[in-house]
Parts: sequence; structure tokens; C-alpha cells
Amino acid sequence: QQQVKQSPQSLIVQKGGISIINCAYENTAFDYFPWYQQFPGKGPALLIAIRPDVSEKKEGRFTISFNKSAKQFSLHIMDSQPGDSATYFCAASTVDSSYKLIFGSGTRLLVRP
Amino acid sequence: DTAVSQTPKYLVTQMGNDKSIKCEQNLGHDTMYWYKQDSKKFLKIMFSYNNKELIINETVPNRFSPKSPDKAHLNLHINSLELGDSAVYFCASSQGGVHGYTFGSGTRLTVV
Repeated sequence: QQQVKQSPQSLIVQKGGISIINCAYENTAFDYFPWYQQFPGKGPALLIAIRPDVSEKKEGRFTISFNKSAKQFSLHIMDSQPGDSATYFCAASTVDSSYKLIFGSGTRLLVRP
Repeated sequence: DTAVSQTPKYLVTQMGNDKSIKCEQNLGHDTMYWYKQDSKKFLKIMFSYNNKELIINETVPNRFSPKSPDKAHLNLHINSLELGDSAVYFCASSQGGVHGYTFGSGTRLTVV
């Protein structure tokens, strides 16, 4: 049972464009929503995270938009750069299982020069 | 100075063998984890230890046994390896819950 659904599976964007990755969830008990970035041969690294009490969080070129009523959240990468080419994972966790992250299936992003 | 280090990075072994993967973190975190990433890149938690106590044990075959000698180390021992065990295994650590997981670089296990 996949509790966090991520799309698209892959994404190609031109340099300078906006990359958008979407995630949807069913469990309304989820209260923490991070995004991780993974480069080939490396482990995932925390990029940015949000809690459901805010609708948007921005860190540099990376923004999370959160829609609690729709149970969706998305990652926007502004001014995408070739160095952003990586696999991106959304994730979620619940209050009563605060040690476990449930990951989406990942999006492979390629930013063309 | 690597925060979460795993050894070995690559492991190729035959079916039926027993192997171990070691993990050490120097971040002073109180919780450590093992995640499995399959060929489709899907990441799933296997185990978690908090201060040497097992707190998460997902539906993982009994052939997999984690051991935490102290809160800086979490090893994974796998008995009777099967083809389906081929994957990348990631160790991670965190302080006080899911916030700010730090992952190691992974161990690519190939069972032939």
C-alpha cells in the first residue's frame, strides 16, 4: 500500500525553467512533509520540509506548496540548473510514528543546459 | 569527516551466503535506521533503533537481523541471501525523530 503517491516519474526541464513535482497522500494523521534530493551513488539528503499549519515554505530556489484540503503538496524548483539533476523524493510521517518516514516513489529530474 | 558511514559500499555474494553491513554515525544522534531501496528507487524502512532499543521492525524476513552495540552503530546481518535481496541498503540517523534524517551513501548488495 503506497501511502504517498508521487508524480511524475521523470521530468525534463530546460535550464532556467521551473520544475514541479507533486505528491498526494491519504492519511490525514501525517504532520510532517519533507523533500529529499538524491544524486547517483549517494544517499538522500534533506532539501526542505513543511508542516500542515503553513501553506508554503521557501528556501532559496526551492518552494514547497501545501494544500491540506486536497491532501497534496508539491516541490517547485525555480530557475532550474543542470546541477539540480537528481532524483527527488517526497515523504511524510505521522505524530504517533514519529520515527518513520514514508517515501514517495521518486521523480528523476533532468535539467538540460 | 563522514557523518554516517557504511561499509562495504559494494557487496557481491552468492545465494545462500550470510553477510553483514556495518553503519556508524558521528553526529551524536539517538536514533538509527536501515532503509532498503529497490531497483525502482523505492525507499522503504526496515528497522529503527533508538538508544540501542528496537523501535521499528517492519515486515522484514527473519533472515535480516539488526544489531546495535551502542547508539553510534547499527549493523545489519543477512542470513541465507536470496536473489530478491539485491538492492541498495541505506543507513540513516536522526535526533529526536524524523526531522533531519542523515543518510549514509548506501551499500549496493548484489546476490548472484
